[in-house]
Amino acid sequence: AQSVTQLGSHVSVSEGALVLLRCNYSSSVPPYLFWYVQYPNQGLQLLLKYTSAATLVKGINGFEAEFKKSETSFHLTKPSAHMSDAAEYFCAVRLSSNTGKLIFGQGTTLQVKP
Amino acid sequence: DTGVSQNPRHKITKRGQNVTFRCDPISEHNRLYWYRQTLGQGPEFLTYFQNEAQLEKSRLLSDRFSAERPKGSFSTLEIQRTEQGDSAMYLCASSKVGRRTYEQYFGPGTRLTVT
Repeated sequence: AQSVTQLGSHVSVSEGALVLLRCNYSSSVPPYLFWYVQYPNQGLQLLLKYTSAATLVKGINGFEAEFKKSETSFHLTKPSAHMSDAAEYFCAVRLSSNTGKLIFGQGTTLQVKP
Repeated sequence: DTGVSQNPRHKITKRGQNVTFRCDPISEHNRLYWYRQTLGQGPEFLTYFQNEAQLEKSRLLSDRFSAERPKGSFSTLEIQRTEQGDSAMYLCASSKVGRRTYEQYFGPGTRLTVT
């Protein structure tokens, strides 16, 4: 069965510091992987996706993620945190089959301190 | 591209009542998904449609839940005889089958509170 584990339900960084949000997946087939961001009382916005092309994926708002098959990881990073990055972040996996559904991790709340 | 819209944004109902939510996907998107998100958790898949056909349903979708997409455009999700455990955010997403099938675009959600 496919699953996603996000290590750390809360991450706190100072403004300007590196952001690192961890995601590990479990899949018996090559996965499609995604990071979404959710601001309070809003839906999810796609940050970036991995679809078996380049292993280093760049997304919006300066975020990027690296797919590491040997570690079954897809960690999200941003070199310098901004106050507006404070939100909840979800990692999700989708099988590379015709199944449409996404399986989400439990989320990581990012706090950015001034 | 006006995005995915959902109505209502908030719904408060008493236990035992029926509720219906509506989702309007991005035009020309032929896939539509419903997810449920409880507090502090990631969204959980409920069901999805390709055009008007409902192709997959989660075990989370009990017989009190029904979803339709009659003309392959908007969709409705109905919950009958609501229970307090149904309180959650109900999210709708859409995508287009084709080169970028894997990108799902989410609406703002409908927050249901059952009292």
